[in-house]
Amino acid sequence: DTGVSQNPRHKITKRGQNVTFRCDPISEHNRLYWYRQTLGQGPEFLTYFQNEAQLEKSRLLSDRFSAERPKGSFSTLEIQRTEQGDSAMYLCASSLLIGEPRGYTFGSGTRLTVV
Amino acid sequence: TQLLEQSPQFLSIQEGENLTVYCNSSSVFSSLQWYRQEPGEGPVLLVTVVTGGEVKKLKRLTFQFGDARKDSSLHITAAQPGDTGLYLCAGRSGGSTLGRLYFGRGTQLTVWP
Repeated sequence: DTGVSQNPRHKITKRGQNVTFRCDPISEHNRLYWYRQTLGQGPEFLTYFQNEAQLEKSRLLSDRFSAERPKGSFSTLEIQRTEQGDSAMYLCASSLLIGEPRGYTFGSGTRLTVV
Repeated sequence: TQLLEQSPQFLSIQEGENLTVYCNSSSVFSSLQWYRQEPGEGPVLLVTVVTGGEVKKLKRLTFQFGDARKDSSLHITAAQPGDTGLYLCAGRSGGSTLGRLYFGRGTQLTVWP
């Protein structure tokens, strides 16, 4: 297993366009998380899944954002009608829920630039 | 409002020096983790501390969790250029947000040769 994989690594899009990011977690990990990180800030929680169930969503996740994890494997994060304020690094992480607490394994992120 | 406050925000030192960075909160956490992040990459887990007063060592890095589980520190002995990076603390609280980690803004450490 090569860890958590995120694609694409970089995405430049025009304001108003829709974008979709993909995350492939470590195969045996049942929890998957999405975070957003802007310059000079720590990662901010967006949402997380346990298997295919989306268990929590942050208030940061407006109606323009949607995340899915069909079949409890890979996940996608879609942003509709992108705005300049959406420019950030989008990080995916996974973990195994056996005996809390456990740390996350992060992917390398998708850098989104909205122009 | 940041749940976890990290200090200092920036730290620039010479190789061989010792340093301590801090992570403070008014909230109690069931566990706390430290990550290191390099530019353009995701954070990498260094350690998880669970018990109040717990001390963990990872080579030249020493991590301590406060007795009240509200704060933590990271001490690096004889820093090396390879220690350069953004050090993030992250806490997990109980209740309905069991899955979520709250991150601080990080301490950007630069170690010069």
